[in-house]
Amino acid sequence: ETGVTQTPRHLVMGMTNKKSLKCEQHLGHNAMYWYKQSAKKPLELMFVYSLEERVENNSVPSRFSPECPNSSHLFLHLHTLQPEDSALYLCASSQLGQGIDEQYFGPGTRLTVT
Amino acid sequence: DQQVKQNSPSLSVQEGRISILNCDYTNSMFDYFLWYKKYPAEGPTFLISISSIKDKNEDGRFTVFLNKSAKHLSLHIVSSQPGDSAVYFCAASTRASYGKLTFGQGTILTVHP
Repeated sequence: ETGVTQTPRHLVMGMTNKKSLKCEQHLGHNAMYWYKQSAKKPLELMFVYSLEERVENNSVPSRFSPECPNSSHLFLHLHTLQPEDSALYLCASSQLGQGIDEQYFGPGTRLTVT
Repeated sequence: DQQVKQNSPSLSVQEGRISILNCDYTNSMFDYFLWYKKYPAEGPTFLISISSIKDKNEDGRFTVFLNKSAKHLSLHIVSSQPGDSAVYFCAASTRASYGKLTFGQGTILTVHP
């Protein structure tokens, strides 16, 4: 596997379910990100982890709970979601501190909350 | 308040012609700008970037121009090909902000054979 992978690619869940999204980066980067893309809206940054510490929480509701157990893995735990949380969830990684800010994205998880 | 705007939702271009995609920003603290391309069912792919100390950066068929006084950047794609058809996003960051990117809404580019 190369680059950034995300599983599952598609997820349908009810409002009372608990599920998790997984992201893995194979690029040796030191920062990882969760973004949300809703229909007809720009990508919205949700969380940033740098060296496994959360450094940004962009006013995201507590029903979204991130976890970064090591520099290669990032999870987004989902609990009691609302239908308006249906969106494409994208994970990205980058190498901070070297003057290069490009983020590399995974293919995303298409989430539908029923 | 949307700090990065792409005012054209779509652009249609004939194969072989130049495609010009535009982006405006409002936050004068932004000092690094990027363009991404996105195909359906894939994540965004990095294309080209520019630092605020430059006004032009070129990579193959892609050139990004930055006009800081107008808070405007553009992406020029010469010799456009049908394979260039995708959604193009511009993004901006302040390098002190842990690489936090602010994205525009995207422009759908269609290149007709």
